[in-house]
Order: sequence, then structure tokens, then C-alpha cells
Amino acid sequence: EAGVTQFPSHSVIEKGQTVTLRCDPISGHDNLYWYRRVMGKEIKFLLHFVKESKQDESGMPNNRFLAERTGGTYSTLKVQPAELEDSGVYFCASSDQGAVEAFFGQGTRLTVV
Amino acid sequence: DAKTTQPTSMDCAEGRAANLPCNHSTISGNEYVYWYRQIHSQGPQYIIHGLKNNETNEMASLIITEDRKSSTLILPHATLRDTAVYYCIVRVDVVTSGTYKYIFGTGTRLKVLA
Repeated sequence: EAGVTQFPSHSVIEKGQTVTLRCDPISGHDNLYWYRRVMGKEIKFLLHFVKESKQDESGMPNNRFLAERTGGTYSTLKVQPAELEDSGVYFCASSDQGAVEAFFGQGTRLTVV
Repeated sequence: DAKTTQPTSMDCAEGRAANLPCNHSTISGNEYVYWYRQIHSQGPQYIIHGLKNNETNEMASLIITEDRKSSTLILPHATLRDTAVYYCIVRVDVVTSGTYKYIFGTGTRLKVLA
């Protein structure tokens, strides 16, 4: 069974550009989470989808970040326009309803220059 | 904000037990303690979790103090492949949605030495 897959694995963009990160959760998992670790900080929660609905987006840093999960399958996280402080590793995780653990993808390393 | 504190790094000899401490003095009564680890260039991987009682699985043991203010992850016979960053996490339940989220600590970088 395929795990959580994230694309791309690395992205280098210039300040002011737009970047879209994609996450394919484990098939059948209703819960999808985005987390990120910026330089020198701990991994922090961004938001949580249940199917296509945003259940909790309390961790989204500002309105330059937009997450979608149309159809309740894969999710995208768009950063527009990107700023230097957005550099970090963005993780996606998924879990089944009632599951005790979440499965993480390998992350997307975003570098804004 | 992190609800856990962990030592930045630890070394352990191969074959010996690795004991990784974690403080979570502000944990609430219904919040679980989770441990994940991250091996270089991979995503965090689940190890074990617990609420009040000590837990053991095929990977590790989790010892939680009676007051729940701290816990210890034990890898009974560390191998070189256990070299990783170990995260102590508090799972916070979001009452309004019936869901949860993880609050990560900064992690302990464990190096297993041959």
C-alpha cells in the first residue's frame, strides 16, 4: 500500500512567486493534515481536513496560504506570494477515522530566495 | 507553542537501552503523549503513544509518571538504524470538531554509536 506522497520533494522559488505543494494521502483516509517546520523551530500544525472540509485551520500563518482538498482526495497548499520566512519543510499527514496514529509524508523542502 | 521539552541530543551505545526523557508539565488530563521519530530525509514515523498507563509495543516502551508531567521513551536494544530525531508530542483534541492535532516538541537527536 502506498504511503503519503508529497510533490515536489524540493522547491526553490524567488520571493514574490507562487508555489503549490501537493499531498496524496493514503487511499481511504478521511483526515488530512498539513504541518511545517521553519528554520530553527519545531514542527507546527497548519490545518486539518476531514474529507473536503476544513475542520481546523487555526495554524495557518496568514492569508498568503491557501489549502484545498477538492473531492476529498489529494490536497494542495498554495503560497502566494511567497516570502523568505516561508522557507522550511512542509509535511502532510493522513489518518483514518478513529485511528490512533497519523502517517506522514516525506515532506516538501521549500526554499524562498 | 510547544507543550513538551526534550534534551537537544543524546548518544547511546549500540545494543544498549536508549532512554529519552520528555517533560510535559502542562499536559491536560485527556491529552495523549505520542512519540514519533524522523530518520534523515523521511517524514515522522509513529512509535508509540499513551495516556496514563505504561505502554509497550514491538518498537519501544513508554513510561509515564503518575502525575503525567513527564515520560520516557525506551528503545530496549538500540541499533545504528535507530539514529534519528525523536519527537515527544502532545495530542490535543479539538472538541468542537471531534478531531485532534499534534503539538510537537523540538525533538531529541539520538545518535547510536557502534
